[in-house]
Amino acid sequence: DTAVSQTPKYLVTQMGNDKSIKCEQNLGHDTMYWYKQDSKKFLKIMFSYNNKELIINETVPNRFSPKSPDKAHLNLHINSLELGDSAVYFCASSQDGQGVREQYFGPGTRLTVT
Amino acid sequence: AQSVAQPEDQVNVAEGNPLTVKCTYSVSGNPYLFWYVQYPNRGLQFLLKYITGDNLVKGSYGFEAEFNKSQTSFHLKKPSALVSDSALYFCAVRDGTGRRALTFGSGTRLQVQP
Repeated sequence: DTAVSQTPKYLVTQMGNDKSIKCEQNLGHDTMYWYKQDSKKFLKIMFSYNNKELIINETVPNRFSPKSPDKAHLNLHINSLELGDSAVYFCASSQDGQGVREQYFGPGTRLTVT
Repeated sequence: AQSVAQPEDQVNVAEGNPLTVKCTYSVSGNPYLFWYVQYPNRGLQFLLKYITGDNLVKGSYGFEAEFNKSQTSFHLKKPSALVSDSALYFCAVRDGTGRRALTFGSGTRLQVQP
């Protein structure tokens, strides 16, 4: 069974569109994260939720809105997509929200904005 | 602010030789340090971490890392490299204060030649 899964795996869309990426974990973890990896492989935290509560909210345009319907799911909605949003987006989960336990990453969603 | 530096974009080593991937960090308080590996088109996988205790930490796949407080370093090592170790390696740090997010280094590509 896949521990952390993301859908879709690939997403190609035009500028100005709105899109969502979904993430689910079956590890029973309390904390979930969204990361963005750019074309140079640089990885940056975007958001983190612990038991459905937002605990990390980095400097991200407010076009990005995370939603956690329950602690096993963390979705990312992006409004008015821009070329610079093209990247690989990774979801991850961990047992705690303190950043001291290892994180388990999903396979990534490659977003291409044209 | 916490930061982590991986000074080498790429490390080349022959199979069977020892390997070292370098990482230095800057944090407030005591650091929590991690190494992750990313294989092509995959999410990151946890290798090992240092929280407290012995400076030499052993992890998955025969990797180990040495925490050096005076040099603020956490270099990843393996006594005998395998071709299958070829991947992108990330060092990450969380500081000992209230900030719970991990900061990742820029990554080092390890190429093991047969």
